[in-house]
Amino acid sequence: QKEVEQDPGPLSVPEGAIVSLNCTYSNSAFQYFMWYRQYSRKGPELLMYTYSSGNKEDGRFTAQVDKSSKYISLFIRDSQPSDSATYLCAPLVIRGSTLGRLYFGRGTQLTVWP
Amino acid sequence: GAVVSQHPSRVICKSGTSVKIECRSLDFQATTMFWYRQFPKKSLMLMATSNEGSKATYEQGVEKDKFLINHASLTLSTLTVTSAHPEDSSFYICSARGGVSNTGELFFGEGSRLTVL
Repeated sequence: QKEVEQDPGPLSVPEGAIVSLNCTYSNSAFQYFMWYRQYSRKGPELLMYTYSSGNKEDGRFTAQVDKSSKYISLFIRDSQPSDSATYLCAPLVIRGSTLGRLYFGRGTQLTVWP
Repeated sequence: GAVVSQHPSRVICKSGTSVKIECRSLDFQATTMFWYRQFPKKSLMLMATSNEGSKATYEQGVEKDKFLINHASLTLSTLTVTSAHPEDSSFYICSARGGVSNTGELFFGEGSRLTVL
């Protein structure tokens, strides 16, 4: 599955920094764009998602999609040590036989140090 | 929120034996379940999609005779790794989606770590 590209990092930032995580994709059929957070040895958990292009904000997190350039971003403001995890982008197809199938990026490992 | 439970969380087996991993949706009916495999420091790789009451759809390169998937009820799907070999050692994760929601929200199990000796 090479439909999603994501820089695996690792990314290390001080507490309070603004973090930018990015993915690119190739399939124009993607409609929903999910971000998952995965702590070590745990399953992924849904962080937030956006539909089509645009921004969505949830607390310190902002997800952004630019469908014209096929670029997905997740911004974390005022990063905390508890944000240390692997972040996976996952575009979603919502029609046809592959309904619900997530195409995961490799994940970016983030460490926020106090 | 919705909960998906996987069991066992860890399993160690000898080469040549079969191992069954269960995935249960605890408080919703899962019409579709997905099985993923995750290698260390790699992304989740979709293995198969299973819909309740029908045969699973396997991704290219995944051996359906080796990774048997059963989705006999709306709350339970099982993955059986048959005649396991050391190269099958991995972290297996299931996810479940209920109803006809088109938000795409999936709920993940905690994962099952398989070690084949």
